[in-house]
Amino acid sequence: DTEVTQTPKHLVMGMTNKKSLKCEQHMGHRAMYWYKQKAKKPPELMFVYSYEKLSINESVPSRFSPECPNSSLLNLHLHALQPEDSALYLCASSRQGLVLTGNTIYFGEGSWLTVV
Amino acid sequence: KQEVTQIPAALSVPEGENLVLNCSFTDSAIYNLQWFRQDPGKGLTSLLLIQSSQREQTSGRLNASLDKSSGRSTLYIAASQPGDSATYLCAPHTGTASKLTFGTGTRLQVTL
Repeated sequence: DTEVTQTPKHLVMGMTNKKSLKCEQHMGHRAMYWYKQKAKKPPELMFVYSYEKLSINESVPSRFSPECPNSSLLNLHLHALQPEDSALYLCASSRQGLVLTGNTIYFGEGSWLTVV
Repeated sequence: KQEVTQIPAALSVPEGENLVLNCSFTDSAIYNLQWFRQDPGKGLTSLLLIQSSQREQTSGRLNASLDKSSGRSTLYIAASQPGDSATYLCAPHTGTASKLTFGTGTRLQVTL
């Protein structure tokens, strides 16, 4: 099983809403990632969790709040977003942190977010 | 800061052709480099990973090369098929953190 599962696939939310994106993997991976991808642009790293601890925050606005409840789950809590936050949000995982072993990184199908 | 450029930005070829996608990066101090494929509206699929000590990596009809010192990688696709149509992204892994920097991508269309 080399699958990273993301839910929901599509989300429309108002600027005052609170919602969450969820990501799950059962490959025993200990590094998990959130990326943001705008149309026709490459993915941009947002957060990295290593062994359930936040190891990288790429200066992401606080309206995005990541959470790693256990080694299989990664959430992205959304609050007071702006229309320009509309994008494809990709979750990924790798066996360990990439710097240690150069492991392959596995991506989910993404969650399409539209902020109205 | 690592800058990654892919040329060409878009490519259309007839089925059966061999083709080369290019990736250049500004910081040659990389640990490895991965090539990914992305279908429209979908996530990314890892195709090949080349460690910094390697020169080539092969998987089926795909062959990736790496010239770390000159900051270049190429992805060679043999006997292209319509199912190869997708955007191809290269991503060198740079620095001490678990961070990939993605290139601008090459959008490939293989026609019948």
